[in-house]
Amino acid sequence: AQTVTQSQPEMSVQEAETVTLSCTYDTSENNYYLFWYKQPPSRQMILVIRQEAYKQQNATENRFSVNFQKAAKSFSLKISDSQLGDTAMYFCAFMIPLGLGNTPLVFGKGTRLSVIA
Amino acid sequence: EAQVTQNPRYLITVTGKKLTVTCSQNMNHEYMSWYRQDPGLGLRQIYYSMNVEVTDKGDVPEGYKVSRKEKRNFPLILESPSPNQTSLYFCASSLGVGQGSVQPQHFGDGTRLSIL
Repeated sequence: AQTVTQSQPEMSVQEAETVTLSCTYDTSENNYYLFWYKQPPSRQMILVIRQEAYKQQNATENRFSVNFQKAAKSFSLKISDSQLGDTAMYFCAFMIPLGLGNTPLVFGKGTRLSVIA
Repeated sequence: EAQVTQNPRYLITVTGKKLTVTCSQNMNHEYMSWYRQDPGLGLRQIYYSMNVEVTDKGDVPEGYKVSRKEKRNFPLILESPSPNQTSLYFCASSLGVGQGSVQPQHFGDGTRLSIL
């Protein structure tokens, strides 16, 4: 079974600084997808960034980037120039594509990030 | 506007009283799914559906039922709710997979259920 571990239950960062959230996963599969979701106080689940395991280049979306280390099974999220609106719970998630069907997203337990003015 | 709509957003009810949480998506997505979110546990999948009339159990299906009679709707049914089903529930949908690619899931805004 696949597992996702987020070892930092809570983190804080000063506004405009950079913060890195950790995520490790366990799988024997070679082809899979990794995601970071953000859940602000409004409870919405918002996709932040995704990474395909077969791509060596790390994904980037504006201030958000990942450090994907396939051999180490690590998928950390870096948030640059942190803003107050980045305050949220962040979930790392994992999925294996099987044939023509999606398989369930497996989520980590989340990291609560607070951005401090 | 593309969206996943869940109803109700909040519900307080009592043990044993059957309830249904509706989920509807307007994006013609094949794949739909239900998750529950509990403090310290993250999100866990309850049931999912690859397409109409095709459903399967996720990690925590006990006490829940689903149906997929139409592509756009995927209701979650609690036949006899119990207090341990008090949770925040999310419905999600995505396109089916083509050529092995994975489409990200779109989530509804969540339904907070309290079972007394």
